[in-house]
Amino acid sequence: SQQGEEDPQALSIQEGENATMNCSYKTSINNLQWYRQNSGRGLVHLILIRSNEREKHSGRLRVTLDTSKKSSSLLITASRAADTASYFCATDAAGGSYIPTFGRGTSLIVHP
Amino acid sequence: EAGVVQSPRYKIIEKKQPVAFWCNPISGHNTLYWYRQNLGQGPELLIRYENEEAVDDSQLPKDRFSAERLKGVDSTLKIQPAELGDSAVYLCASSSRTGAYEQYFGPGTRLTVT
Repeated sequence: SQQGEEDPQALSIQEGENATMNCSYKTSINNLQWYRQNSGRGLVHLILIRSNEREKHSGRLRVTLDTSKKSSSLLITASRAADTASYFCATDAAGGSYIPTFGRGTSLIVHP
Repeated sequence: EAGVVQSPRYKIIEKKQPVAFWCNPISGHNTLYWYRQNLGQGPELLIRYENEEAVDDSQLPKDRFSAERLKGVDSTLKIQPAELGDSAVYLCASSSRTGAYEQYFGPGTRLTVT
């Protein structure tokens, strides 16, 4: 079963615009991670946010976490064509075995 | 630092045939994961190794899938016999230790069963 569910399933924007994607999950978590997957390539870890954190930044990425709503958002600012990829959130359940459970992903297309 | 290496990158077989995938994790990484990713889905864990011990294999279809990690380094995932529904990308990942959270993924093996 997939714990996290990303929304929207697909997003199409112009270069320079911001992209926001959301992740909702069902049970309490220890951590939430965001990964990127380019076409035909493996997943790359982007950022991890712990359950006691509310916001984290890494370069053009901003992640927020609202544990009361069981949701997270990933914001990519000033998007580039190279940001075109699928983005997955992965959660590991509180009290679990540190195994991240991935959602179905958001497919982002950035038009040059 | 070399990344996670997987081979082959692509494999096409007929149903009922056996197939094997190989993974070499990042040097020094004790934890190794095998995932299956179906088209349009996120990866789903098949098995996790701590060194040479399989510590989480509840999602591995044991009637046809097997895995091993000899000497706690390289790992092999085997399917015998393959079914049409096994067509997917098989991803290997490693992390320095359990609880390190950040996993490093290989490029995957795309399996097509005809």
